[in-house]
Amino acid sequence: GAVVSQHPSWVICKSGTSVKIECRSLDFQATTMFWYRQFPKQSLMLMATSNEGSKATYEQGVEKDKFLINHASLTLSTLTVTSAHPEDSSFYICSASLTSGYSYEQYFGPGTRLTVT
Amino acid sequence: QKEVEQNSGPLSVPEGAIASLNCTYSDRGSQSFFWYRQYSGKSPELIMFIYSNGDKEDGRFTAQLNKASQYVSLLIRDSQPSDSATYLCAGGALTDKLIFGTGTRLQVFP
Repeated sequence: GAVVSQHPSWVICKSGTSVKIECRSLDFQATTMFWYRQFPKQSLMLMATSNEGSKATYEQGVEKDKFLINHASLTLSTLTVTSAHPEDSSFYICSASLTSGYSYEQYFGPGTRLTVT
Repeated sequence: QKEVEQNSGPLSVPEGAIASLNCTYSDRGSQSFFWYRQYSGKSPELIMFIYSNGDKEDGRFTAQLNKASQYVSLLIRDSQPSDSATYLCAGGALTDKLIFGTGTRLQVFP
């Protein structure tokens, strides 16, 4: 159980275009999903926290108008990188929070590698 | 500033040995702690979580938590070359986002 999928797994786009990444929790409902970015040989950087039915909470320094997050259901969150530029090229990873009574665990999707040319 | 600190390594251990990975955290409000394994080019995979002081064992893995010392560790027994990866420690309060350490790179050599 606790499987999170992401689509696409990799994408190449031209500078100035927009890219949408989907994150789905396949076998559980996730009230909260998180979006991370990771550059090569660097640690995870949390971009935003996404709650179903409400606006995402962005971390300091993350442009909310550039990285649009929608969490329309308990199993789907999307990240849209608008007007992408080469510096947006990175590994984008979502995670979903599985809550059970006192405990909760965060499970990661396989990630989406974005290359902007 | 909430922080989770890990030694970046690499930690090199021979096959069959015990690998000991350590982590300290600054936020006393953190109640839950997680260890993730991340292979190069892949996303993190949850391998252990612990909420209570003491030890928690799962197969070859043992997580240890000492809230008084704000210290979390992960022991990997009978280390295998396939355990070679970066191990991320993370902590958080209930229903809060996790604070990740920068990870410790483990190398298990045959």
